This record gives sequence, structure tokens and C-alpha cells, in this order.
Amino acid sequence: DTGVSQDPRHKITKRGQNVTFRCDPISEHNRLYWYRQTLGQGPEFLTYFQNEAQLEKSRLLSDRFSAERPKGSFSTLEIQRTEQGDSAMYLCASSFSLGLAGLTDTQYFGPGTRLTVL
Amino acid sequence: GENVEQHPSTLSVQEGDSAVIKCTYSDSASNYFPWYKQELGKGPQLIIDIRSNVGEKKDQRIAVTLNKTAKHFSLHITETQPEDSAVYFCAAKGRGTGFQKLVFGTGTRLLVSP
Repeated sequence: DTGVSQDPRHKITKRGQNVTFRCDPISEHNRLYWYRQTLGQGPEFLTYFQNEAQLEKSRLLSDRFSAERPKGSFSTLEIQRTEQGDSAMYLCASSFSLGLAGLTDTQYFGPGTRLTVL
Repeated sequence: GENVEQHPSTLSVQEGDSAVIKCTYSDSASNYFPWYKQELGKGPQLIIDIRSNVGEKKDQRIAVTLNKTAKHFSLHITETQPEDSAVYFCAAKGRGTGFQKLVFGTGTRLLVSP
């Protein structure tokens, strides 16, 4: 399977705990995105990377959230001190672009990680 | 920033009928408009996309139209089948540095009855 993969698929945690999600993009895709989706809503942008550089962050990404993409391959999204409001589906997507203003930028999504904070 | 509105929120059709979902966007700088299909428990799957230099694109039973002047775009599904039942999202993306994110609509739940 050469699509975007995410791990774990489901995570249940208690309020106040830290959680970390992993995303493996499609091979050779240089851009990687994180979105959050709550029930009945469309995905909302959190952040994106061009190779290993984090180039844009949403206001939704509070100080408790941190994302990394070491070596420009897989990415991790960590949430510290989880709150019940963090319960959502966390989606990762990847794309290939020629540059910062790339015109061909189709984003392919992974299956998501569903987080439940008790 | 960009805002995308999508209608209707739910759509029920009989198998074989056509389905149309409409979206409007606010940022005239947006130049890329994908449509995603999401099944229960899965991530969004790209079904078709259109760029601002074309007005219409078709792929078998699926077509998308774009009206840049009115800032709206639509998804058309012909000869619907029960397996088309899912939630469909439209999205818009700007251009240039700082506009790489997709802004999604709120989704349309399509139900195709046999």
C-alpha cells in the first residue's frame, strides 16, 4: 500500500495525558499537512511542512500542540495535557509540490487517528 | 481568510437519479477546488478537482463546474448508485506562500436508495 498511513487509528486517553500520533506520507511527497475534523464538520487545517520545515500554523494549534517532521519523511503530532475538547479525528495528508508557490498540489489523505479524551 | 459554504447538508436520491452539490467561496484569490468523498471511519478520498483556468471537468459519472465570477462551484453525479452514499466535501485553496491550506465546506451527506 503506497498511500498515506497513520498510527494509531484509535486512541483513548484520560484528560491531562500526553498523546503522540504518527503519519507516514506517500513516498517522495515533500509536503505534509495535519488537519482536525470534529463530528459533522469538514477538516480544519492545523499545520503543514515543506520537507522538514514547518511553514504554516493555524491559530487552532495552541501551545499544547507540537508537530515535527524530522528528515522530511514521517511526521508526529503531539498533544500535551489533553482536554476533552481535543477529541476529534486527526487527519494527515501529503502532496508533491515543485516549490513554495507550487501549482500542482493535490492533497491525499490518510485514514486518520480518532482521539477520545475521557 | 477563505470561507466555504456548502449546500445542501443532506441529499436523498433514488438510484439512477442525478445529484448536485453546490459550494461558494469568499476569496477571489483561490485557484484550486477539490472534492472529497468520505465514508464512515475513513479519511477523505479525492474524487475530482478543478483549477481556476478551466470552467468544467468531467470524469465518467462525475463532473465539476466552476463559475469564478460568482465564486461558486458544483459537483454533479449522474446515474447515482448505492455505493455513492457517503459524505462529500468541497474545498478551496489559495495560491502563493501562506495559502497552502485547504478550506473545507461543512459536507453533504448523500444517500442513494436502491
